[in-house]
Amino acid sequence: DTAVSQTPKYLVTQMGNDKSIKCEQNLGHDTMYWYKQDSKKFLKIMFSYNNKELIINETVPNRFSPKSPDKAHLNLHINSLELGDSAVYFCASSQGQRGDNEQFFGPGTRLTVL
Amino acid sequence: AQSVAQPEDQVNVAEGNPLTVKCTYSVSGNPYLFWYVQYPNRGLQFLLKYITGDNLVKGSYGFEAEFNKSQTSFHLKKPSALVSDSALYFCAVRDMGSNYQLIWGAGTKLIIKP
Repeated sequence: DTAVSQTPKYLVTQMGNDKSIKCEQNLGHDTMYWYKQDSKKFLKIMFSYNNKELIINETVPNRFSPKSPDKAHLNLHINSLELGDSAVYFCASSQGQRGDNEQFFGPGTRLTVL
Repeated sequence: AQSVAQPEDQVNVAEGNPLTVKCTYSVSGNPYLFWYVQYPNRGLQFLLKYITGDNLVKGSYGFEAEFNKSQTSFHLKKPSALVSDSALYFCAVRDMGSNYQLIWGAGTKLIIKP
């Protein structure tokens, strides 16, 4: 009964490949996020969706494309992977988009680009 | 510009001693403040938040934080540290702009020595 789940947990791939990370939450939340955590542990918001609608789209290369088929799922597709994309990607969810409720994080997907 | 700072990269505390992890912020208006903890190879977990009301906020695992408006601080505290408290701690403040995203500190590594 994991609240926020991500697959895969580990992803090792070659430069130039295309990959996807899936995220699902069973908390009934209406807002979902993608974060990138680099090797220095800095956390950076990438995208946020509220009820399947994009509400935050930070300065992220357009090789990254989020998709929200429904409010319980937010997937991340990455085209033409680069070395600098290596990081841990976290999905999170919360109730409401006003930022006053806590966010629940998934376990992370460690992406390694060779 | 809105920001949050965690001035210490690492804090070392002996088990049983009180601990403090510092956080200062800069926002316009009344801040919404959060603390999260990240254990190794895990996603972030919510500890506590301040929205309004009592300046002393109690959270999970015996942690508390004190909101100090004049010093623009929101330091995390615990009266008696446990070895299991060793983790990475993040302070965050809600962006008062239009998208209400969280602005994250760089994180403080807390090491509790037996």
